[in-house]
Amino acid sequence: DGGITQSPKYLFRKEGQNVTLSCEQNLNHDAMYWYRQDPGQGLRLIYYSQIVNDFQKGDIAEGYSVSREKKESFPLTVTSAQKNPTAFYLCASRLARGSYEQYFGPGTRLTVT
Amino acid sequence: DAKTTQPPSMDCAEGRAANLPCNHSTISGNEYVYWYRQIHSQGPQYIIHGLKNNETNEMASLIITEDRKSSTLILPHATLRDTAVYYCIVRVEETSGSRLTFGEGTQLTVNP
Repeated sequence: DGGITQSPKYLFRKEGQNVTLSCEQNLNHDAMYWYRQDPGQGLRLIYYSQIVNDFQKGDIAEGYSVSREKKESFPLTVTSAQKNPTAFYLCASRLARGSYEQYFGPGTRLTVT
Repeated sequence: DAKTTQPPSMDCAEGRAANLPCNHSTISGNEYVYWYRQIHSQGPQYIIHGLKNNETNEMASLIITEDRKSSTLILPHATLRDTAVYYCIVRVEETSGSRLTFGEGTQLTVNP
């Protein structure tokens, strides 16, 4: 089955610890995205990447870092500098040309206490 | 960015058409209107998009006004599984690519 996988679905961490969220796609999509969603709100863009080894900050990049060493993978690290890390994190991907339809993963719900 | 305005919530009876409005009065000539929906605690799902003409696919129809300042997403025969938050989005184009900006959407509740 082709698609986007995010793991784990639920993640719990102590305050002050960095945590890395996984996002993998086998759709051969060029672009990948990370969003954050807080309860009752829409999605906010954290980082995105159009090609391997390149990425750009979105609207709320502070306290987050990413890498894009492989086309299939776009991991997101939530660092201890992120003041309010508890949220629902969504990864998405799309073809770079000819389509603006984004395909979303199932999301990871991160809880930091 | 062209900002969109949607009602926060709507109700619809099962089997009836659901008409979800969206205002985007500052839309630019080359910006598309996209609709996505998000069922609770899942990732959003693409529904449909359009530029000027009305569009229809197996999920929904999109009606865009002639001046492009507003649009309506139509689910012709709503089912309980259509209960979700519906996002109307105008595409933002950056020099390094294209991205979508999500607002708060409309919570559609389909009632039995």
